[in-house]
Amino acid sequence: SQTIHQWPATLVQPVGSPLSLECTVEGTSNPNLYWYRQAAGRGLQLLFYSVGIGQISSEVPQNLSASRPQDRQFILSSKKLLLSDSGFYLCAWSLGTGAPNEKLFFGSGTQLSVL
Amino acid sequence: AQKITQTQPGMFVQEKEAVTLDCTYDTSDPSYGLFWYKQPSSGEMIFLIYQGSYDQQNATEGRYSLNFQKARKSANLVISASQLGDSAMYFCAMRERNDRGSTLGRLYFGRGTQLTVWP
Repeated sequence: SQTIHQWPATLVQPVGSPLSLECTVEGTSNPNLYWYRQAAGRGLQLLFYSVGIGQISSEVPQNLSASRPQDRQFILSSKKLLLSDSGFYLCAWSLGTGAPNEKLFFGSGTQLSVL
Repeated sequence: AQKITQTQPGMFVQEKEAVTLDCTYDTSDPSYGLFWYKQPSSGEMIFLIYQGSYDQQNATEGRYSLNFQKARKSANLVISASQLGDSAMYFCAMRERNDRGSTLGRLYFGRGTQLTVWP
């Protein structure tokens, strides 16, 4: 069966420090991968998605970047964190059919606090 | 305009009763999908139920059913026989296609409804 791992679970970082959040998927090949951010009391906002190694699409301009160095590995990064980067970050994967019924399966999330 | 609107920030229901969580959506794509996810306090997003825009019947998954009213662009989640473990945040989401027919990156979430089930 497929599993998704996301770490760390919580992270407290000072403003201006770098960031690296990692997500890996097991049990499937060539998944679509996603990074979402959930601000407190808000819904999920799509940040990045990837359909393959090295292929990254960004949904919103921001202080963050994403990379996919391996088929089942997705990394969210920042060179210098801002206070506004605080939030709950969720990685997700899907089978990649591109169809309306394509379900997303989420990781357990990372609570990032930038102080 | 909001793609997904959930007008109920919080809902309370007594154990064993049914509850309806509201969701309306906005799209011009005739082929779209609607999802409900549950987010307990642990933070993980758990898929509950799916409804396709061309599905004639309302989707059901155990105690979950989706009251799909296409003309009203409404996709309410009904939870029957509520349990204490149902207390969580519930998100409605919609997937639509871009002008090239791809749904990639086009899954939109509402702000959620916090459901509290009391004994």
